[in-house]
Amino acid sequence: AQTVTQSQPEMSVQEAETVTLSCTYDTSENNYYLFWYKQPPSRQMILVIRQEAYKQQNATENRFSVNFQKAAKSFSLKISDSQLGDTAMYFCAFMIPHSGGGADGLTFGKGTHLIIQP
Amino acid sequence: DVKVTQSSRYLVKRTGEKVFLECVQDMDHENMFWYRQDPGLGLRLIYFSYDVKMKEKGDIPEGYSVSREKKERFSLILESASTNQTSMYLCASSFTGAYGYTFGSGTRLTVV
Repeated sequence: AQTVTQSQPEMSVQEAETVTLSCTYDTSENNYYLFWYKQPPSRQMILVIRQEAYKQQNATENRFSVNFQKAAKSFSLKISDSQLGDTAMYFCAFMIPHSGGGADGLTFGKGTHLIIQP
Repeated sequence: DVKVTQSSRYLVKRTGEKVFLECVQDMDHENMFWYRQDPGLGLRLIYFSYDVKMKEKGDIPEGYSVSREKKERFSLILESASTNQTSMYLCASSFTGAYGYTFGSGTRLTVV
């Protein structure tokens, strides 16, 4: 079974600082996808960034970037120039494509509560 | 704007009641999912469906069932609600998981 571990239950940084959230996962598969989701107090889960395991280049979306280390099974999220609106729960998630009939289920970590202080 | 809509934001039900949580998506997605979210435990998959009338158990299906009679609607059923089913319930849909899911805003269910 696949597992996703987020070792930081809570983090707090000052506005404009850079923060890195850690995520490790465990799988014997070679083809998979990784995601970071943000859940603000409104509860709406928002996809922040995705990474395809067969791509070596790290994904980037504006202030959000990942450090994907496939051999180490590590997928950290870096938020640059943090803003008050970045305050949220952040979930790392992992998915192995389903072959044949069926759906591609996401396995989530337990989340990191990120607080951006003014 | 594409949407996954959960019919209730908050629900309070009594122990032993039969509870229906409804989820509708307007994106013509084949796949739909029900997750349960609890503090410190993250999101855990209850059931999912990859086609109309098709369903599969997730990691924690006990005490739950689902119904998918139409492509756009996926219902989670608590046959006899218990206090340990007090939780946040999130519905999601996808065309293919490779691009992630679209989530609803969640239903916070309290069973008293």
